[in-house]
This record gives sequence, C-alpha cells and structure tokens, in this order.
Amino acid sequence: NFMLAQPHSVSESPGRTVSISCTGSGGSIANNYVQWYQQRPGSTPTTVIYEDTRRPSGVPDRFSGSIDSSSNSASLTISGLKTEDEADYYCQSYDNNNWVFGGGTQLTVL
Amino acid sequence: QVQLQESGPGLVKASETLSLTCNVSGGSISNYYRSWIRQPPGMGLEWIVYMHYAESTNYNPSLESRVTMSIDTSKNQFSLELSSVTAADTAVYYCVVTNIVTGDLSWGQGTLVNVSS
Repeated sequence: NFMLAQPHSVSESPGRTVSISCTGSGGSIANNYVQWYQQRPGSTPTTVIYEDTRRPSGVPDRFSGSIDSSSNSASLTISGLKTEDEADYYCQSYDNNNWVFGGGTQLTVL
Repeated sequence: QVQLQESGPGLVKASETLSLTCNVSGGSISNYYRSWIRQPPGMGLEWIVYMHYAESTNYNPSLESRVTMSIDTSKNQFSLELSSVTAADTAVYYCVVTNIVTGDLSWGQGTLVNVSS
C-alpha cells in the first residue's frame, strides 16, 4: 500500500522560507498528483496546492509545490513566511483512486 | 466558485446510522468528483469515500462495509451514510469536490457528529 510520511512539526521565523516534505513509500509519488491542504487552528482545511504544483485562485504565489522523483517526495515551500501561515499542512495523493493522506505537519511561525 | 454545505444530525446513537448531505451551489454537481473526509477530534484527516469517473466509487477499506454514498443530481447534492456507528466515528465530517476540468478541490465547512453510547 502506498503511504505518505510528513514531519510532525517545523518552525521558522517570519519572512523566511520553509519547506515541508511528504515522502512516499510503497509506490512512486510521481505516479499520481499530490495536493496540499492548509488547516488553520479551529478552521476547515483549504487547498493551497493541487496537481503537484498548481495554486487555486486566491492562494498567494508564496506557496509552491514540487515533486522530487529521486527522493520519492513532494514538497510544499512557503516563502516570505507570515504569522497567518501558522497552521497544519496535509499532503494527499492517490493509490488506485483511493485517497492517501500524510499525517500532517504543524507549522509554527515565530 | 463552488460552495459546499454539509447538513445532518450532530448527535447519533451508537449502533445507529449516521446520515449526512452535502449541498452544492455555484456549479453543477455533474462537473465534480465527490468525496467525504473526516477528522476525529485532535487528529488528522481520514478519507472515507470517493465517487469519480462514470460514478465509479472507491471506499476506505477500513470503512467500506459500513459506507453508502449516493448522489441526487436533481437537488445538486450528494450524501453519506455510515452504519453501525461507534464512539470511534465521532468526528468532523467534510464533503469535498474536485473540479473535473481544472482539478481544483473545494471543501465544505464541515459538520461535527458526536456518537453517544
């Protein structure tokens, strides 16, 4: 079975750049699109990246997604960090049309 | 921009059936693939079911025997039924749609369902 692993938490200072990894196992991460969801405390998840690299309208270009086949991982990179970026971030992909979620990463901006 | 709104009882008794509906506005449900996701209190996201191309449906194997998903195109809504619920099914339930053309995904606000013993 395909699985996704994320670091439990990351922290960075305002204005800096942070990358959150999502490592696949049991299959190639490049075989299916990866999505990233942001969930601020007490709020509903929202999509910040879909189809590996695409941003929904309204999501600032400080957010970017990438795939690295060599490490079988996806990454969400947030540049120019703002305190409002503090949230849980989840990666998600597919395994034969079954959804697979990573465990989530808590981003602290301090 | 499509908008989703979940509705249903906030309290369900153990062993009974949880029933939720997702009302879709701002777009035809036929233009979207549909999913249900849940999040137990303080925990991560868990996928429940995904209805996609030609109404093919995939289920989380751990829930498949208890899950029914249906769609009502005349009302532009889709529904979830989860039978024989236990306290472990207490969660916020989200409906999610994927735009067939663009691939973008939109989430409902979520609805908290508590299962009482």
